Amino acid sequence: NAGVMQNPRHLVRRRGQEARLRCSPMKGHSHVYWYRQLPEEGLKFMVYLQKENIIDESGMPKERFSAEFPKEGPSILRIQQVVRGDSAAYFCASSPSHRAGGAFFGQGTRLTVV
Amino acid sequence: DQQVKQNSPSLSVQEGRISILNCDYTNSMFDYFLWYKKYPAEGPTFLISISSIKDKNEDGRFTVFLNKSAKHLSLHIVPSQPGDSAVYFCAASAGGPQGAQKLVFGQGTRLTINP
Repeated sequence: NAGVMQNPRHLVRRRGQEARLRCSPMKGHSHVYWYRQLPEEGLKFMVYLQKENIIDESGMPKERFSAEFPKEGPSILRIQQVVRGDSAAYFCASSPSHRAGGAFFGQGTRLTVV
Repeated sequence: DQQVKQNSPSLSVQEGRISILNCDYTNSMFDYFLWYKKYPAEGPTFLISISSIKDKNEDGRFTVFLNKSAKHLSLHIVPSQPGDSAVYFCAASAGGPQGAQKLVFGQGTRLTINP
Protein backbone atom coordinates (compact mmCIF):
# COMPACT_ATOMS: atom_id res chain seq x y z
CA ASN A 1 0.00 0.00 0.00
CA ALA A 2 2.03 2.91 -1.30
CA GLY A 3 1.93 6.13 0.65
CA VAL A 4 1.31 9.60 -0.72
CA MET A 5 3.52 10.03 -3.77
CA GLN A 6 4.81 13.41 -4.83
CA ASN A 7 6.93 14.21 -7.84
CA PRO A 8 9.30 15.58 -8.60
CA ARG A 9 11.18 15.61 -5.31
CA HIS A 10 13.26 18.55 -6.43
CA LEU A 11 12.36 21.15 -9.02
CA VAL A 12 14.46 24.07 -10.21
CA ARG A 13 12.84 26.81 -12.24
CA ARG A 14 14.01 30.15 -13.54
CA ARG A 15 12.03 33.24 -12.68
CA GLY A 16 9.01 33.54 -14.96
CA GLN A 17 8.71 29.84 -15.74
CA GLU A 18 5.88 27.55 -14.68
CA ALA A 19 6.14 24.91 -11.96
CA ARG A 20 3.86 21.84 -11.91
CA LEU A 21 3.86 19.71 -8.77
CA ARG A 22 2.10 16.35 -8.72
CA CYS A 23 0.53 14.39 -5.90
CA SER A 24 -0.99 10.91 -5.93
CA PRO A 25 -2.95 10.26 -2.71
CA MET A 26 -2.95 7.01 -0.83
CA LYS A 27 -5.23 4.34 -2.20
CA GLY A 28 -8.77 4.86 -0.95
CA HIS A 29 -8.18 8.50 0.00
CA SER A 30 -10.45 11.01 -1.67
CA HIS A 31 -9.28 14.16 0.13
CA VAL A 32 -6.10 16.00 -0.88
CA TYR A 33 -4.46 18.94 0.86
CA TRP A 34 -1.53 21.08 -0.24
CA TYR A 35 0.75 22.81 2.27
CA ARG A 36 3.77 25.04 1.83
CA GLN A 37 6.71 25.28 4.18
CA LEU A 38 8.99 28.28 3.93
CA PRO A 39 12.48 28.00 5.48
CA GLU A 40 12.43 27.91 9.29
CA GLU A 41 8.64 28.03 9.41
CA GLY A 42 5.80 25.60 9.99
CA LEU A 43 3.58 24.26 7.25
CA LYS A 44 0.91 26.61 5.94
CA PHE A 45 -2.34 25.32 4.47
CA MET A 46 -2.93 26.24 0.83
CA VAL A 47 -5.85 24.29 -0.62
CA TYR A 48 -8.17 21.35 0.06
CA LEU A 49 -9.60 19.35 -2.82
CA GLN A 50 -11.81 16.37 -3.40
CA LYS A 51 -12.16 14.67 -6.75
CA GLU A 52 -13.00 17.36 -9.34
CA ASN A 53 -13.81 19.90 -6.62
CA ILE A 54 -11.94 22.62 -4.79
CA ILE A 55 -13.40 22.66 -1.29
CA ASP A 56 -11.28 25.32 0.37
CA GLU A 57 -8.65 27.47 -1.28
CA SER A 58 -8.41 30.08 1.46
CA GLY A 59 -4.64 29.62 1.76
CA MET A 60 -3.84 30.01 -1.92
CA PRO A 61 -2.23 33.22 -3.15
CA LYS A 62 -4.73 35.09 -5.30
CA GLU A 63 -2.59 35.12 -8.40
CA ARG A 64 -0.36 32.65 -10.24
CA PHE A 65 -1.33 29.63 -8.11
CA SER A 66 -3.94 27.03 -9.05
CA ALA A 67 -4.75 23.47 -8.07
CA GLU A 68 -6.82 20.65 -9.46
CA PHE A 69 -7.70 17.07 -8.59
CA PRO A 70 -9.20 15.50 -11.71
CA LYS A 71 -11.38 12.43 -11.81
CA GLU A 72 -8.46 10.45 -13.15
CA GLY A 73 -4.83 11.06 -12.30
CA PRO A 74 -2.92 12.95 -9.65
CA SER A 75 -3.62 16.28 -8.05
CA ILE A 76 -1.63 19.11 -9.62
CA LEU A 77 -0.43 22.32 -7.99
CA ARG A 78 0.53 24.82 -10.66
CA ILE A 79 2.55 27.96 -10.10
CA GLN A 80 2.78 30.29 -13.08
CA GLN A 81 5.52 32.89 -13.59
CA VAL A 82 7.45 31.76 -10.54
CA VAL A 83 9.33 34.28 -8.42
CA ARG A 84 12.15 33.73 -5.91
CA GLY A 85 9.69 33.98 -3.02
CA ASP A 86 7.96 30.82 -4.28
CA SER A 87 11.03 28.80 -3.28
CA ALA A 88 9.79 26.44 -0.59
CA ALA A 89 8.91 22.85 0.21
CA TYR A 90 5.43 21.94 -0.99
CA PHE A 91 3.75 19.05 0.77
CA CYS A 92 0.68 17.13 -0.24
CA ALA A 93 -1.42 15.18 2.25
CA SER A 94 -4.35 12.85 1.83
CA SER A 95 -7.02 11.46 4.10
CA PRO A 96 -10.00 9.17 3.74
CA SER A 97 -13.53 10.48 3.57
CA HIS A 98 -13.80 10.73 7.34
CA ARG A 99 -11.54 12.04 10.00
CA ALA A 100 -9.60 9.02 11.11
CA GLY A 101 -6.28 9.79 12.69
CA GLY A 102 -4.02 12.19 10.94
CA ALA A 103 -3.63 13.06 7.31
CA PHE A 104 -0.76 11.27 5.60
CA PHE A 105 1.89 13.42 4.01
CA GLY A 106 4.07 12.87 0.99
CA GLN A 107 7.79 13.54 1.03
CA GLY A 108 7.34 16.93 -0.54
CA THR A 109 8.62 18.78 -3.58
CA ARG A 110 11.40 21.26 -3.01
CA LEU A 111 11.01 24.11 -5.43
CA THR A 112 13.98 26.37 -6.04
CA VAL A 113 13.54 29.45 -8.19
CA VAL A 114 16.77 30.84 -9.59
CA ASP B 1 -1.70 35.83 13.37
CA GLN B 2 -0.11 32.67 14.74
CA GLN B 3 -3.02 30.57 15.96
CA VAL B 4 -0.83 27.65 17.00
CA LYS B 5 2.42 28.40 18.80
CA GLN B 6 5.34 26.27 19.81
CA ASN B 7 7.45 28.65 21.84
CA SER B 8 10.50 26.42 22.19
CA PRO B 9 12.42 26.20 18.91
CA SER B 10 14.63 23.48 20.31
CA LEU B 11 14.86 20.98 23.16
CA SER B 12 17.68 18.70 24.24
CA VAL B 13 16.99 15.61 26.39
CA GLN B 14 19.08 12.76 27.72
CA GLU B 15 18.34 9.31 26.33
CA GLY B 16 15.96 7.41 28.60
CA ARG B 17 14.49 10.55 30.13
CA ILE B 18 11.12 12.13 29.40
CA SER B 19 10.74 14.65 26.56
CA ILE B 20 7.95 17.19 26.95
CA LEU B 21 6.99 19.32 23.99
CA ASN B 22 4.52 22.14 24.45
CA CYS B 23 2.00 23.85 22.22
CA ASP B 24 -0.45 26.70 22.77
CA TYR B 25 -3.38 27.74 20.61
CA THR B 26 -5.65 30.75 20.46
CA ASN B 27 -8.63 29.65 18.37
CA SER B 28 -11.36 28.21 20.60
CA MET B 29 -12.98 26.64 17.51
CA PHE B 30 -10.18 24.08 17.26
CA ASP B 31 -11.52 20.69 18.28
CA TYR B 32 -8.90 18.26 17.05
CA PHE B 33 -5.18 18.33 17.72
CA LEU B 34 -2.33 16.35 16.24
CA TRP B 35 1.40 15.90 16.61
CA TYR B 36 3.65 15.22 13.66
CA LYS B 37 7.30 14.26 13.55
CA LYS B 38 9.51 15.37 10.69
CA TYR B 39 12.96 14.30 9.60
CA PRO B 40 15.00 16.47 7.21
CA ALA B 41 14.00 16.17 3.56
CA GLU B 42 10.95 14.07 4.43
CA GLY B 43 7.27 14.78 4.91
CA PRO B 44 5.66 15.02 8.35
CA THR B 45 4.70 11.69 9.90
CA PHE B 46 1.56 11.50 11.99
CA LEU B 47 2.27 10.52 15.61
CA ILE B 48 -0.78 10.93 17.78
CA SER B 49 -3.96 12.96 17.98
CA ILE B 50 -6.54 14.01 20.51
CA SER B 51 -10.12 15.19 20.26
CA SER B 52 -11.26 18.12 22.37
CA ILE B 53 -13.66 15.86 24.26
CA LYS B 54 -10.68 14.13 25.84
CA ASP B 55 -7.84 15.37 28.00
CA LYS B 56 -5.39 12.55 27.43
CA ASN B 57 -4.50 10.07 24.74
CA GLU B 58 -1.77 7.49 24.98
CA ASP B 59 -0.04 5.38 22.35
CA GLY B 60 2.99 3.44 23.45
CA ARG B 61 5.75 5.84 24.47
CA PHE B 62 3.73 8.86 23.32
CA THR B 63 1.08 10.63 25.38
CA VAL B 64 -0.71 13.82 24.47
CA PHE B 65 -2.36 15.95 27.12
CA LEU B 66 -4.95 18.62 26.38
CA ASN B 67 -5.89 21.46 28.73
CA LYS B 68 -8.77 23.21 27.03
CA SER B 69 -9.18 25.94 29.61
CA ALA B 70 -5.54 26.94 29.16
CA LYS B 71 -5.62 26.26 25.39
CA HIS B 72 -2.51 24.19 25.85
CA LEU B 73 -1.40 20.76 24.80
CA SER B 74 1.75 18.80 25.35
CA LEU B 75 3.41 15.70 23.97
CA HIS B 76 5.27 13.43 26.37
CA ILE B 77 7.75 10.89 25.07
CA VAL B 78 9.04 8.40 27.58
CA PRO B 79 11.57 6.93 27.52
CA SER B 80 13.24 9.11 24.90
CA GLN B 81 15.33 7.31 22.29
CA PRO B 82 17.97 8.60 19.84
CA GLY B 83 15.59 7.88 16.93
CA ASP B 84 13.18 10.42 18.40
CA SER B 85 15.52 13.23 17.35
CA ALA B 86 13.50 15.20 14.81
CA VAL B 87 11.37 18.32 14.45
CA TYR B 88 7.96 17.98 16.10
CA PHE B 89 4.98 19.95 14.85
CA CYS B 90 1.79 20.57 16.73
CA ALA B 91 -1.29 21.02 14.51
CA ALA B 92 -4.94 21.82 15.07
CA SER B 93 -8.14 21.81 13.07
CA ALA B 94 -11.66 23.15 13.48
CA GLY B 95 -14.33 20.54 12.98
CA GLY B 96 -17.28 20.05 10.78
CA PRO B 97 -17.34 18.26 7.45
CA GLN B 98 -15.44 21.08 5.77
CA GLY B 99 -12.79 21.17 8.47
CA ALA B 100 -11.63 17.62 7.98
CA GLN B 101 -7.86 17.69 7.96
CA LYS B 102 -7.26 21.34 7.13
CA LEU B 103 -4.53 21.83 9.67
CA VAL B 104 -2.97 24.87 11.29
CA PHE B 105 0.62 24.10 12.24
CA GLY B 106 2.94 25.49 14.86
CA GLN B 107 6.46 26.51 13.96
CA GLY B 108 7.97 23.26 15.23
CA THR B 109 10.36 22.22 18.01
CA ARG B 110 13.63 20.52 17.18
CA LEU B 111 14.14 17.67 19.66
CA THR B 112 17.61 16.27 20.15
CA ILE B 113 18.10 13.12 22.20
CA ASN B 114 21.61 12.84 23.59
CA PRO B 115 23.09 9.40 24.25
